[in-house]
Amino acid sequence: DAGVIQSPRHEVTEMGQEVTLRCKPISGHNSLFWYRQTMMRGLELLIYFNNNVPIDDSGMPEDRFSAKMPNASFSTLKIQPSEPRDSAVYFCASSLAGGRSGANVLTFGAGSRLTVL
Amino acid sequence: SQQGEEDPQALSIQEGENATMNCSYKTSINNLQWYRQNSGRGLVHLILIRSNEREKHSGRLRVTLDTSKKSSSLLITASRAADTASYFCATAPPQAGTALIFGKGTTLSVSS
Repeated sequence: DAGVIQSPRHEVTEMGQEVTLRCKPISGHNSLFWYRQTMMRGLELLIYFNNNVPIDDSGMPEDRFSAKMPNASFSTLKIQPSEPRDSAVYFCASSLAGGRSGANVLTFGAGSRLTVL
Repeated sequence: SQQGEEDPQALSIQEGENATMNCSYKTSINNLQWYRQNSGRGLVHLILIRSNEREKHSGRLRVTLDTSKKSSSLLITASRAADTASYFCATAPPQAGTALIFGKGTTLSVSS
């Protein structure tokens, strides 16, 4: 398996532009998570899906952020319009919830580093 | 909100020494996990300890859990330069199908 695949790896954009980050989870995993990592705030949970359904989006900072999971193999995180304070590394992770261990062990992608000028 | 708080924030040791990192958390958990992050990479799962376990080993890693004190420790024995990374604890709430909550991590530097 190729693991969790995120694109783009790096994105530099100007304030006000729309940003779309993409994630392909591990095949067979039924939970998908979006986290954001900054030096100041560490790793923050933005939103997660179980079986393609959003379960908790309380971590999404503002209405400028939206996430979708149209099918089991693809998810997007969109920021519109982007602001400099959105600069961070965005990680997607997937897991097999309710597996034998029931433990929510996460497999992370390599991350998308976003810089908003 | 962050559940786990790692201590220390940064740790510098020599190769061959042991490294101990601590994690404290606030609420009930189903399990606690430790992850490692190399610079510029995603997090990688290291080890999981359930709430009814007190100690677990995996290779050079030893994890302890004290639920009465809401704390955990990660010990890396005989450290190597390749162990240089950030280490995060993550807590899994008791409810099924919920998300892990991560601490801010301990940055470990192992010099040769």
